[in-house]
Amino acid sequence: SAVISQKPSRDICQRGTSLTIQCQVDSQVTMMFWYRQQPGQSLTLIATANQGSEATYESGFVIDKFPISRPNLTFSTLTVSNMSPEDSSIYLCSATDYTEAFFGQGTRLTVV
Amino acid sequence: KNEVEQSPQNLTAQEGEFITINCSYSVGISALHWLQQHPGGGIVSLFMLSSGKKKHGRLIATINIQEKHSSLHITASHPRDSAVYICAVWGGSQGNLIFGKGTKLSVKP
Repeated sequence: SAVISQKPSRDICQRGTSLTIQCQVDSQVTMMFWYRQQPGQSLTLIATANQGSEATYESGFVIDKFPISRPNLTFSTLTVSNMSPEDSSIYLCSATDYTEAFFGQGTRLTVV
Repeated sequence: KNEVEQSPQNLTAQEGEFITINCSYSVGISALHWLQQHPGGGIVSLFMLSSGKKKHGRLIATINIQEKHSSLHITASHPRDSAVYICAVWGGSQGNLIFGKGTKLSVKP
């Protein structure tokens, strides 16, 4: 199985700033996903991180707000741009090799 | 209607009690996950099921594919079991997981 290291685990940010979250997998995986969990809600897909090309975003999420990179099969970043208090959530990186799912530890973001 | 429904939403138990958390889903799936989310937000995968039953320590997970239902059981519950338990299924349009809202379990000593 794969182990995912997600950083930072938590952060408190000022509104209007940006935060980049990193996700490092210790082995090559087929697919990587970014999810958001708003308070009291379920985890919701933001986008699939595609290696070497633009991410595939779910409806309601746009690249300008949540730019995603995936330069290789083991690493991805999610940036939350121009943050507002409504962006306060848990952000989660996940990966799969089609037989199993792996999860990062999550990033708890608070925007003040 | 949510594609993955969990019940109950909140559950308080006394230490030692047998606990059951239920998950029903409406999409066709190849596998279902049970996850544990700690207060800090970190998520740990407990089980992945495609049929039958799995056991790990005091945790037991079952799935009935025909009825589209899964249960997570905790035997001899302990305060350290207090967490949010989340059911998730493969079924998203991008090959992603669809998550339930979670069941918040609190086990009192």
